[in-house]
Amino acid sequence: EVQLVQSGVEMREPGESLKISCKGSGYDFVNYWIGWVRQMPGKGLEWMGMIHPDDSDVDYSPSFQGRVIISVDKSVSTAYLQWTSLQASDTATYYCVREGYHFDPIDKDYSSTGIDHWGPGTRVTVSS
Amino acid sequence: DIVMTQSPLSLAVTPGEPASISCRSSHTLLSLTGYNYLDWYLQRPGQSPQLLIYLGSTRASGVPDRFSGSGSGTDFTLKISRVEAEDFGVYYCMQGVQTPRTFGQGTKLEIK
Repeated sequence: EVQLVQSGVEMREPGESLKISCKGSGYDFVNYWIGWVRQMPGKGLEWMGMIHPDDSDVDYSPSFQGRVIISVDKSVSTAYLQWTSLQASDTATYYCVREGYHFDPIDKDYSSTGIDHWGPGTRVTVSS
Repeated sequence: DIVMTQSPLSLAVTPGEPASISCRSSHTLLSLTGYNYLDWYLQRPGQSPQLLIYLGSTRASGVPDRFSGSGSGTDFTLKISRVEAEDFGVYYCMQGVQTPRTFGQGTKLEIK
């Protein structure tokens, strides 16, 4: 069974740093992109970026580039989302996600088949 | 970035009745090889979203056949043939043809 186990609830003050984690199990971790999706309180879903665990290739959304760091340690099948200086506007639930893929035999390339697994979310509250 | 626009933003339906949600993209989601990179998700209250439909019309594993996805290019529709109690929540479409991935605003399906 595929599982994405995320670290627990976090409370920080503005300006503090934070690193949350997501451990994948039940599948070949290095072969699937792992991403992060933000959901601010009462709002919709925002894709932040994703990382390929095999080579640590990262693709950030321009909206989050420079604001967060996405990393991975494939030796422990864990992806991370990190802030160096939190703001109150970072208050949100952060979902770790796995993106499925298929091989297009005509294109001879791999393409998305959607976010097929979601973690339970890590709630982050930033307040003084 | 590709802009995804859903309508309606809220929908009240009586259990047993059908429901339909529209999703439009600002750029074609149809690849040169004929795949539409459009997904549908349901987020029930207090839960993580779950994948319902991918590649425009393929139901994800375990998704009941009352859910169906259709459309191509820039216009897509999610239909529920007969809404059940477990179907209430917020539905999102998402494009997977390019990064950054982008979601629609969400459509809240409520009990009438």
